Amino acid sequence: QSVLTQPPSVSAAPGHNVTISCSGGTSNIGENYVSWYQQLPGSAPQLLIYETSQRPSGIPDRFSASKSGTSATLHIAGLRTGDEADYFCGTWDSNVYAGRMFGGGTKLTVL
Amino acid sequence: QLQLQESGPGLVKPSGTLSLTCTVSGGSVVSYKWWAWVRHSPAQGLEWIGEVYQTGSTIYHNSFKSRVAMSLDESKNSFSLELSSVSAADTAVYYCARDRGGNAFDLWGPGTVVIVSS
Repeated sequence: QSVLTQPPSVSAAPGHNVTISCSGGTSNIGENYVSWYQQLPGSAPQLLIYETSQRPSGIPDRFSASKSGTSATLHIAGLRTGDEADYFCGTWDSNVYAGRMFGGGTKLTVL
Repeated sequence: QLQLQESGPGLVKPSGTLSLTCTVSGGSVVSYKWWAWVRHSPAQGLEWIGEVYQTGSTIYHNSFKSRVAMSLDESKNSFSLELSSVSAADTAVYYCARDRGGNAFDLWGPGTVVIVSS
């Protein structure tokens, strides 16, 4: 069971906006950068967001992210059918030497 | 363009040792700092196993520390994972990845399925 809690699933219609939450604690999200990944079926994860809110080159600005306290949020605007995938958050835990960790993942369904 | 490719046996016997190699192409393994192994299973989700630095230093997840070893081979432009005393719980897709810093992995291999079974 992951220390970072994500909703198992979210859904929305094409063109709509959706948010995916990632809840942690003071020793992980609270004091460290958060990253977000998209995993399409049968593929490796792809980095969407690094350093909590930065997009790598090639990632559309429809994807954005933020953090408040011990929770982080991924925002996806203008949903497309190709966005249907699993989304994971990730960070580091400074308290216990568990190192890097990931959320349990959220399945996004585009209705 | 930098690419990663995992290789190794897809089937390992219980109590045996899982050995995987990640070959780096399009660049040198010592030109980047940290290289990681991550696995994905339905039961555990994504799990960070550990990382190896360009100099060979390592950092491991506490859960694996007693039975994991990672190394880097500049001559083969690769890095590797060994996980001993495996059980069915170690059945997963194993990925190698580059740690870009800032708690993010920006390059992943396609992954390789490892099944632990007799």
